[in-house]
Amino acid sequence: AQSVTQPDIHITVSEGASLELRCNYSYGATPYLFWYVQSPGQGLQLLLKYFSGDTLVQGIKGFEAEFKRSQSSFNLRKPSVHWSDAAEYFCAVASTGGFKTIFGAGTRLFVKA
Amino acid sequence: GAVVSQHPSWVICKSGTSVKIECRSLDFQATTMFWYRQFPKQSLMLMATSNEGSKATYEQGVEKDKFLINHASLTLSTLTVTSAHPEDSSFYICSAYVSGGEETGELFFGEGSRLTVL
Repeated sequence: AQSVTQPDIHITVSEGASLELRCNYSYGATPYLFWYVQSPGQGLQLLLKYFSGDTLVQGIKGFEAEFKRSQSSFNLRKPSVHWSDAAEYFCAVASTGGFKTIFGAGTRLFVKA
Repeated sequence: GAVVSQHPSWVICKSGTSVKIECRSLDFQATTMFWYRQFPKQSLMLMATSNEGSKATYEQGVEKDKFLINHASLTLSTLTVTSAHPEDSSFYICSAYVSGGEETGELFFGEGSRLTVL
């Protein structure tokens, strides 16, 4: 069965510091992987997605993620965090391009001045 | 990008009443929509897959008689929480699936609807 694990419930980083959010997945075939961001009380916005090809994918708002098949990981990174990045981040997996997506538990990002 | 709108954003109702939440794709047609439920500080749990013109497909453990889903048109899916109870209080989020081919499928999410049952 598909599953997504985000080992960090919450992370605090200083503004301007680099960020890495961890994501591990379990899936029998080549997964479709996603990172979403959710601001309080709102829906989800897609940051980036990986289907195939280059394992380093670029997304919106300066985020990037790297797919590592050997580690079953799809970690999200950002070189310099801004206060506006404080939000909940969800890693997700699907069997096709977004159809019936399964979400991880989420990681809440706090940004300190 | 495609826009999905949910209404209402907030709803408070008395225990035993029914509440309808609408999910509309504003500038595109969506054959398939999904309904998720999110408990406070938790992830999204897929409740059901809503297919235009056919019955919804519910995930295991989701009561189909409690959560009625109707997808009557290509731009509208509704979730009705019947005989609501306090334990049904939650954040409900819909999403519409857009397929541009295998490489370009994407989910577009509504803003969510917070239901509070007193």
